[in-house]
Amino acid sequence: EAQVTQNPRYLITVTGKKLTVTCSQNMNHEYMSWYRQDPGLGLRQIYYSMNVEVTDKGDVPEGYKVSRKEKRNFPLILESPSPNQTSLYFCASRGGFSYEQYFGPGTRLTVT
Amino acid sequence: RKEVEQDPGPFNVPEGATVAFNCTYSNSASQSFFWYRQDCRKEPKLLMSVYSSGNEDGRFTAQLNRASQYISLLIRDSKLSDSATYLCVVKPLGYSGGSNYKLTFGKGTLLTVNP
Repeated sequence: EAQVTQNPRYLITVTGKKLTVTCSQNMNHEYMSWYRQDPGLGLRQIYYSMNVEVTDKGDVPEGYKVSRKEKRNFPLILESPSPNQTSLYFCASRGGFSYEQYFGPGTRLTVT
Repeated sequence: RKEVEQDPGPFNVPEGATVAFNCTYSNSASQSFFWYRQDCRKEPKLLMSVYSSGNEDGRFTAQLNRASQYISLLIRDSKLSDSATYLCVVKPLGYSGGSNYKLTFGKGTLLTVNP
């Protein structure tokens, strides 16, 4: 089954404790992206990647890092989480010739 | 003007009603347009693309007016299962790199269909 998976689905952590949210897709897609979704603000892009070792900032990259060492994986790293990073995070991917974006199930992060 | 603006909603309609959502975009060079659907606490999923000539998929009709920079989604004979948030999505014209990939999402309009 074609899918984007994210782990963990739910995470509660404390300020400053480094965390990684994993994202993996099995569709051989070139493009992958991370979004955060907050009430009243909609979906905002954090980082995106056009292929292995090619990443760039989206609209709200501060406080986040990403890497793309393999085509299927695109982890999101919060080196020192803060409460304003409490949000619902989605990973997404799409193939080069399609505009349909496939989203993962989301990761609900709470930073206390 | 925001890049993509939608009716704020929420929309509460009875089963069987016809409901229309509107969306405007600011970048006249925008290339592609979509409607996504997001169920509560779930991931967004593509509902339909929007073509210049307008397109229909069952009870759903999408239209594009490039001159007015306006997109619409019409749902006829609404069902309880249509209750969701509807996201207007715009892809700006991009020639290479990240600009060719970026999708801009509206904040969404919440629809509740009541029995």
